[in-house]
Amino acid sequence: GENVEQHPSTLSVQEGDSAVIKCTYSDSASNYFPWYKQELGKRPQLIIDIRSNVGEKKDQRIAVTLNKTAKHFSLHITETQPEDSAVYFCAASWRDYKLSFGAGTTVTVRA
Amino acid sequence: DAGVIQSPRHEVTEMGQEVTLRCKPISGHDYLFWYRQTMMRGLELLIYFNNNVPIDDSGMPEDRFSAKMPNASFSTLKIQPSEPRDSAVYFCASSLFGQTIDTQYFGPGTRLTVL
Repeated sequence: GENVEQHPSTLSVQEGDSAVIKCTYSDSASNYFPWYKQELGKRPQLIIDIRSNVGEKKDQRIAVTLNKTAKHFSLHITETQPEDSAVYFCAASWRDYKLSFGAGTTVTVRA
Repeated sequence: DAGVIQSPRHEVTEMGQEVTLRCKPISGHDYLFWYRQTMMRGLELLIYFNNNVPIDDSGMPEDRFSAKMPNASFSTLKIQPSEPRDSAVYFCASSLFGQTIDTQYFGPGTRLTVL
């Protein structure tokens, strides 16, 4: 099955700086890559996703890039704010609707 | 739309007891997923349904776990008998099939503690 690796496991940034989280996947057939944000005690919520026919997608301060050749994708958060502090999960869909999740990155934005 | 609804939100039970978790997907969605989240194993897909039919249950840890979807608006995940290692947060998610894979919307989760 699909194996998704996510780095780093923790990330501390100064408010206003950028944060970058990287994920790699194993199955070249994967074609859907969502990112979820999970605040403490809450449900995972989709923040952005990208499909294999697109190389980059942006939504305000959040952007995702995909490199199919290298089988990796990244989440970029610019101008970080305290409310960006959360755990972020990447995922890849390798067959049907099955999502395989990365282990998560705990992002802390220091004021 | 109320979103995905799960009940109970918290469940504390003793080892050996039967536990039933419930989920109501978003109206009109035709895919339903059950996940388990733990610190050690992260988010794991247990089973998913399409149009009330189980499609893949390869993630179900063992025979003590079973899931049903008797109709489009209700699903259950049952653990019998429960064990302390089953303690986790169980999420239900639903999705609507389109021309491409679509977003999975998660419910608030059920925090299960087995003593």
